[in-house]
Amino acid sequence: DAGVIQSPRHEVTEMGQEVTLRCKPISGHNSLFWYRQTMMRGLELLIYFNNNVPIDDSGMPEDRFSAKMPNASFSTLKIQPSEPRDSAVYFCASSLSEDTQYFGPGTRLTVL
Amino acid sequence: SQELEQSPQSLIVQEGKNLTINCTSSKTLYGLYWYKQKYGEGLIFLMMLQKGGEEKSHEKITAKLDEKKQQSSLHITASQPSHAGIYLCGADYSGYALNFGKGTSLLVTP
Repeated sequence: DAGVIQSPRHEVTEMGQEVTLRCKPISGHNSLFWYRQTMMRGLELLIYFNNNVPIDDSGMPEDRFSAKMPNASFSTLKIQPSEPRDSAVYFCASSLSEDTQYFGPGTRLTVL
Repeated sequence: SQELEQSPQSLIVQEGKNLTINCTSSKTLYGLYWYKQKYGEGLIFLMMLQKGGEEKSHEKITAKLDEKKQQSSLHITASQPSHAGIYLCGADYSGYALNFGKGTSLLVTP
């Protein structure tokens, strides 16, 4: 069975550019999470969707970050404009309601 | 302040030795999850504990949750190079999202 799929796996961009990260959750899962991992702060929740509806976005750093889930099989995390401090590994995870979260391989973002 | 503390931050053990990683919460947990992360890769689910006093094992890895549901330990018996990686504990405080510790980096030497 396919796990959580993320693309791209690596992204290098210049400051000020728009970045879009993509996630396909495990089929049948109704909860989706975006996390960010940095050396300084570890793994932090950015936003949580349940049944395609954003439930908790208190972790989204600022207005430059936005996330959407247009349907049960696709979500995007967008950063516009990107800044060097956004460099991190971004993970998407999915679960069936409050059950175990399964993580994707992550997108390593570098903003120059 | 960090609600979830992991110790040690890093660990180097000789192959065949046992080791323990601890995860301490500043408040009561709904559940405690253990994940393993290979360098540069995603998180792999190991096990989840919900009940005070619960203990689970998978191959040579055993995790326990104390009675007060504020501390968990992960114990690896007879470590192997394949056990190397970063071990992360995740606390369920809210019923959905996880708060993670900073992780414990494990290196197993021949």
